[in-house]
Amino acid sequence: SQTIHQWPATLVQPVGSPLSLECTVEGTSNPNLYWYRQAAGRGLQLLFYSVGIGQISSEVPQNLSASRPQDRQFILSSKKLLLSDSGFYLCAWSRRGSNQPQHFGDGTRLSIL
Amino acid sequence: AQKVTQAQTEISVVEKEDVTLDCVYETRDTTYYLFWYKQPPSGELVFLIRRNSFDEQNEISGRYSWNFQKSTSSFNFTITASQVVDSAVYFCALSEERAAFGSGTQLTVLP
Repeated sequence: SQTIHQWPATLVQPVGSPLSLECTVEGTSNPNLYWYRQAAGRGLQLLFYSVGIGQISSEVPQNLSASRPQDRQFILSSKKLLLSDSGFYLCAWSRRGSNQPQHFGDGTRLSIL
Repeated sequence: AQKVTQAQTEISVVEKEDVTLDCVYETRDTTYYLFWYKQPPSGELVFLIRRNSFDEQNEISGRYSWNFQKSTSSFNFTITASQVVDSAVYFCALSEERAAFGSGTQLTVLP
């Protein structure tokens, strides 16, 4: 069966510090991968989307970046965090095809001080 | 562009009441898929159901039922005899590979 691991679960970082959140998927190959942010409420904001190694689509301009160094690894990074980067970050994967549901990790709660 | 609207921001019901969560979508595609996800307080989103645009049959799974109506572009979700464990944020989504999510409905079921 497929599993998705996302870590860390919680993170407290000072403004201006770097960020690296990691997400890995097991039990499937060539998945679509996604990073979402959910800020202080409910809406899910799609940040990045990847259909393959090195292929990243950015949905919103920001000081975050994403990389996919391996097929089942998706990393969310920042060189300098802002207060506005606080939120709940979710990684998700899906099989190819528009009929496929997304499967989410447990999320990372990021607080910027 | 695809768009999903969940007009109900928050709903509170008392246990054992029935509750319906509304979802209205917009798309130009003739073939599309609709999804519902549940996000309990622990945070992870859980996939509940998928519907394709060619299948308008209502679906029932235990206390959950879904009413898909293409004529009104709606895909509503009903929980019958709600329970406290149903308290969560519920998201409706419309597919492309990236999916368009609604803003979610916070359901609180009071004991």
